[in-house]
Amino acid sequence: EAGVAQSPRYKIIEKRQSVAFWCNPISGHATLYWYQQILGQGPKLLIQFQNNGVVDDSQLPKDRFSAERLKGVDSTLKIQPAKLEDSAVYLCASSPTPPTGGNTQYFGPGTRLTVL
Amino acid sequence: AQSVTQPDIHITVSEGASLELRCNYSYGATPYLFWYVQSPGQGLQLLLKYFSGDTLVQGIKGFEAEFKRSQSSFNLRKPSVHWSDAAEYFCAVGLYNQGGKLIFGQGTELSVKP
Repeated sequence: EAGVAQSPRYKIIEKRQSVAFWCNPISGHATLYWYQQILGQGPKLLIQFQNNGVVDDSQLPKDRFSAERLKGVDSTLKIQPAKLEDSAVYLCASSPTPPTGGNTQYFGPGTRLTVL
Repeated sequence: AQSVTQPDIHITVSEGASLELRCNYSYGATPYLFWYVQSPGQGLQLLLKYFSGDTLVQGIKGFEAEFKRSQSSFNLRKPSVHWSDAAEYFCAVGLYNQGGKLIFGQGTELSVKP
């Protein structure tokens, strides 16, 4: 079974530029998550989708971050404009079950973003 | 508020020695608890999880963890560490009343001495 795919793996941009990350979850997984992991910290949830609907985006900085999940499969996370503090690893995860506390989340390799 | 604390930022153990990584959580209900491992440049891999039942949980790679409700702890253990275990370890609590959201600790970096 193929895992969660993410691209690009690395991205370097100047502040105020825009950037987009792509995630392809494990086939058949209904729930998709985007996490931000700042160096030295644990991942923090940005947004959660159930199929193509948003379940939780309370931690998403909506003035600059946006995300969508096309047709309930792939997802794109965008930052516009980027700030220095957005430098982090962006992790995508998916889960086969409806969003409960006990569902196992499977993580992709992440995209490391550096904002100069 | 829900939180996870991993008191040890960095631990060094000798190869073959035993290992215990500490995790304490704060959550107002019965928690779902997870341990993940992250190698450099990689995503997170699930080691084990606790939902209910037996409080001693076995995972992959020879790891186990014990849930102690009275201490709000879920410590990870391994009897004999291998050099390939060097990585970052994250404890997390799953919030069933918030759509399965995971709250992570800040991580413990494990170094293994030959």
